[in-house]
Amino acid sequence: EPEVTQTPSHQVTQMGQEVILRCVPISNHLYFYWYRQILGQKVEFLVSFYNNEISEKSEIFDDQFSVERPDGSNFTLKIRSTKLEDSAMYFCASSSGPGNEQYFGPGTRLTVT
Amino acid sequence: AQKVTQAQTEISVVEKEDVTLDCVYETRDTTYYLFWYKQPPSGELVFLIRRNSFDEQNEISGRYSWNFQKSTSSFNFTITASQVVDSAVYFCALSDYSSASKIIFGSGTRLSIRP
Repeated sequence: EPEVTQTPSHQVTQMGQEVILRCVPISNHLYFYWYRQILGQKVEFLVSFYNNEISEKSEIFDDQFSVERPDGSNFTLKIRSTKLEDSAMYFCASSSGPGNEQYFGPGTRLTVT
Repeated sequence: AQKVTQAQTEISVVEKEDVTLDCVYETRDTTYYLFWYKQPPSGELVFLIRRNSFDEQNEISGRYSWNFQKSTSSFNFTITASQVVDSAVYFCALSDYSSASKIIFGSGTRLSIRP
């Protein structure tokens, strides 16, 4: 069964460093998303991406964040200068159409020290 | 604005009991989608069900059933004859029909099934 994959599973970085979180969505999906979940809290939307551009972004997704689909399979989230409050689980998701179920990857746990 | 409320933060029941997780949503859209996701202790988010706003038929899948009532803006989830493996955080969620289609999650209900 096709699935969304994410690497790395855990990333530890120092405050101020850049990190890139990687995702491989399900191959025939066209809509891609990033969400984050601070420990013990709800899942929050960061950004949606369709047709090689951002469809919508949340207030959390400020200038420090960017997304890219560098080739036909990867979808990346970059945080330019990490802050302590960026520590969270980051989930990538993909879907085949608007309003369709989104399938989530296993997540990348980002720890900023 | 869209909003999902899961008033029950934690529920604990004994194995084999039935349990219902409540979900109330708010939206001004006429076309929207409702979801339930399960987050087991391992942390991944597992899709359980999707309903569109025009389909109020209840759905049953094995021990799981869902009751969608537009009149009360509710989409409740019942587990019949609960098992220890059902222990997880369950999220109710809402999405609109647009190219963004972001999912708005509720705060989750932590369900513990005691043997």
